[in-house]
Amino acid sequence: DADVTQTPRNRITKTGKRIMLECSQTKGHDRMYWYRQDPGLGLRLIYYSFDVKDINKGEISDGYSVSRQAQAKFSLSLESAIPNQTALYFCATSRSGYTEAFFGQGTRLTVV
Amino acid sequence: SQQGEEDPQALSIQEGENATMNCSYKTSINNLQWYRQNSGRGLVHLILIRSNEREKHSGRLRVTLDTSKKSSSLLITASRAADTASYFCATDGGNTGKLIFGQGTTLQVKP
Repeated sequence: DADVTQTPRNRITKTGKRIMLECSQTKGHDRMYWYRQDPGLGLRLIYYSFDVKDINKGEISDGYSVSRQAQAKFSLSLESAIPNQTALYFCATSRSGYTEAFFGQGTRLTVV
Repeated sequence: SQQGEEDPQALSIQEGENATMNCSYKTSINNLQWYRQNSGRGLVHLILIRSNEREKHSGRLRVTLDTSKKSSSLLITASRAADTASYFCATDGGNTGKLIFGQGTTLQVKP
């Protein structure tokens, strides 16, 4: 089983719909991240969390919200999806003091 | 804006040749990391170099870090077709603890 699991792997949704992307990890790491990847733009940080009670905005948080339900779970929500949120989304984890990150396999989201 | 900027954006070489990718960053760092991404997959950590290190090796990988120039390079020696992937540098943003990625270099190794 993967250490960092993202669900769903692929999703097509309509403009205006609310959608949640989920991430769970079995690595026991305290830090979790959500990134968005667009062609030619690399990975951009949406939100990050250093523990259950610590949530921080990244570079591009507008239009997104997150929830850290437990140390092992970090969800990303799009409250009202729009087409320019079509992208590949990655969840990652790391352990404080060691910033090596471990990535999930990604969620390909298409907003039509 | 992105912390890391990578150069070149794309690189195509023959199997057996060396590949060099460069990364520049803007703020102070504690460490810099390189990751590999096969097409559409999650990123995989390759190597980490700390701010007090100048060079680090791992197998066919050699990473250098010049903190005075705020730059790093990744050298892959004796490349193989299986090295075809995108490579990203990432910095820890100093004391922020968050990981900021560059735009990546797409490497194609032709057999």
